[in-house]
Amino acid sequence: EAQVTQNPRYLITVTGKKLTVTCSQNMNHEYMSWYRQDPGLGLRQIYYSMNVEVTDKGDVPEGYKVSRKEKRNFPLILESPSPNQTSLYFCASSFGGGGNQPQHFGDGTRLSIL
Amino acid sequence: DQQVKQNSPSLSVQEGRISILNCDYTNSMFDYFLWYKKYPAEGPTFLISISSIKDKNEDGRFTVFLNKSAKHLSLHIVPSQPGDSAVYFCAASFMDSNYQLIWGAGTKLIIKP
Repeated sequence: EAQVTQNPRYLITVTGKKLTVTCSQNMNHEYMSWYRQDPGLGLRQIYYSMNVEVTDKGDVPEGYKVSRKEKRNFPLILESPSPNQTSLYFCASSFGGGGNQPQHFGDGTRLSIL
Repeated sequence: DQQVKQNSPSLSVQEGRISILNCDYTNSMFDYFLWYKKYPAEGPTFLISISSIKDKNEDGRFTVFLNKSAKHLSLHIVPSQPGDSAVYFCAASFMDSNYQLIWGAGTKLIIKP
């Protein structure tokens, strides 16, 4: 089954404790992206990757890191999480970055930073 | 400054009637517009899209209309079914930003039986 898998689905942690949210896709997609969803703001892009070893900042990259060492994986790293990073996070992938290439989303990761 | 706006946070429609969800945008350089549907505890799923060179695209019960002069698009669902109850997001992209998607805040559609 074609899917984007995120882990964990839920996490409550404390300020400053490094965490990684994993994302894996099995569709051989080149393009992967991380978003955060906050009430009243829709989805905002954090980072995206056009292919292996190619990453770039989205609209809200501060406080986040990513890596793309393999085509299927695109982890999101919070080196020193802060309460303003409490949010719902989505990973997405598609064959290309074009608007005519619909993105496939994972089911989300709800992070609470205390 | 929100470039894509969905001004109705929620919409309630009777089953069997037409649902019309609206989206306004400010950037005339957008070249594609997409609608996504989201159920609770799931990620958004792609519904339908339209190129900026067209004014209508239809897929079964779903039709998207684009009015470039008004910078407005709408999603029509006919007839509305209970399974259509979800949050609908409008998104737009343009080539000059590596096709980054700009999202609206979403509209929660409730279909009443």
